[in-house]
Amino acid sequence: TQLLEQSPQFLSIQEGENLTVYCNSSSVFSSLQWYRQEPGEGPVLLVTVVTGGEVKKLKRLTFQFGDARKDSSLHITAAQPGDTGLYLCAGEAQGAQKLVFGQGTRLTINP
Amino acid sequence: KAGVTQTPRYLIKTRGQQVTLSCSPISGHRSVSWYQQTPGQGLQFLFEYFSETQRNKGNFPGRFSGRQFSNSRSEMNVSTLELGDSALYLCASSPGLAEYYEQYFGPGTRLTVT
Repeated sequence: TQLLEQSPQFLSIQEGENLTVYCNSSSVFSSLQWYRQEPGEGPVLLVTVVTGGEVKKLKRLTFQFGDARKDSSLHITAAQPGDTGLYLCAGEAQGAQKLVFGQGTRLTINP
Repeated sequence: KAGVTQTPRYLIKTRGQQVTLSCSPISGHRSVSWYQQTPGQGLQFLFEYFSETQRNKGNFPGRFSGRQFSNSRSEMNVSTLELGDSALYLCASSPGLAEYYEQYFGPGTRLTVT
């Protein structure tokens, strides 16, 4: 059973389009993180959200933590080919001191 | 600061053999975690070491073990390799006492079992 469900699993869009990736769970998390992984490399931390309803922006990327701290979304505005990669959400259950990862969303931005 | 380094980057082993992977964390980081990444199961937590003690463990068989040295460097060992152990093994470090469990990953060791 996957504790964190990401959707969609695959997404291929044209440069300049907008997109949203979702990360859902029935569990409450004390924090939730988003990572991006490129081929041949390890995941790189993009953001950590900790407060229900929190919104964080990183240039063209907007991250939101659900009010109940059970879900999160990543929105990319005007996607560019450099945004291509595997996007992973990861949650820390309360007191767990470890992360559970979603299956990932493989994003391809076509020029 | 230098990032997390892992050696070797690629490894080919035969079923039944054992393997040891090495990880050097970011300087000053006391926590080292290991993950297994496969296309089917995604990224799964193996275990975490903090100040030379295993602090947390995932749901993997006892063939998977690890240790951490006094300089925070860590090794992971897999004994009696199975075909299903073929995966990307990722090491991640963190300060260990931070409020939120943020991971800084190395590039991984690609293990192929034949």
